[in-house]
Amino acid sequence: GDSVTQMEGPVTLSEEAFLTINCTYTATGYPSLFWYVQYPGEGLQLLLKATKADDKGSNKGFEATYRKETTSFHLEKGSVQVSDSAVYFCALSEDDMRFGAGTRLTVKP
Amino acid sequence: DVKVTQSSRYLVKRTGEKVFLECVQDMDHENMFWYRQDPGLGLRLIYFSYDVKMKEKGDIPEGYSVSREKKERFSLILESASTNQTSMYLCASSFSGVRGTGTGELFFGEGSRLTVL
Repeated sequence: GDSVTQMEGPVTLSEEAFLTINCTYTATGYPSLFWYVQYPGEGLQLLLKATKADDKGSNKGFEATYRKETTSFHLEKGSVQVSDSAVYFCALSEDDMRFGAGTRLTVKP
Repeated sequence: DVKVTQSSRYLVKRTGEKVFLECVQDMDHENMFWYRQDPGLGLRLIYFSYDVKMKEKGDIPEGYSVSREKKERFSLILESASTNQTSMYLCASSFSGVRGTGTGELFFGEGSRLTVL
């Protein structure tokens, strides 16, 4: 069945560091791919999405490119801020929505 | 803004009690979902509903039931709570699609943290 694997955390970075959170997927068809973010004490909210191969989703300085050849959708940000501290979930949507285990990011001043 | 409201942020119940978790959305979404979130396991789908009075099992329905009598409201029921049901429960909703997904986006509530003693 469809599944999502994302890098285990926690990830701790200094402010202004470069961020990469790896995400790979397994799917039988042509899924849409998502990154959701969960700030402390809140529910999940959509960060960005891509609906077909080679699409790039972007929001709040975060980017991810749908790579069908490597079945990946890695999340990147060039310069993280303390306010980016959260748990990040990669997700795949085909017949239903499948989530990765989540990666906790802590950004220190 | 889309709003998904879960009735209780924190609950403490005893083993064997019946537990109701309520979720209401205000955007006329067809689809509603219940997930549980556990560290290291991500989100696991318990049940979802794509229409009033309709429900489908997700990956981990055992020990749970649901009710959708009105479009805006989706309730999760633990008939006899057990300690292994201690978890964070997340409700979500979305517009129609195949099981509410495809290119769709899920809108989540803030979660209900349940502790079963």
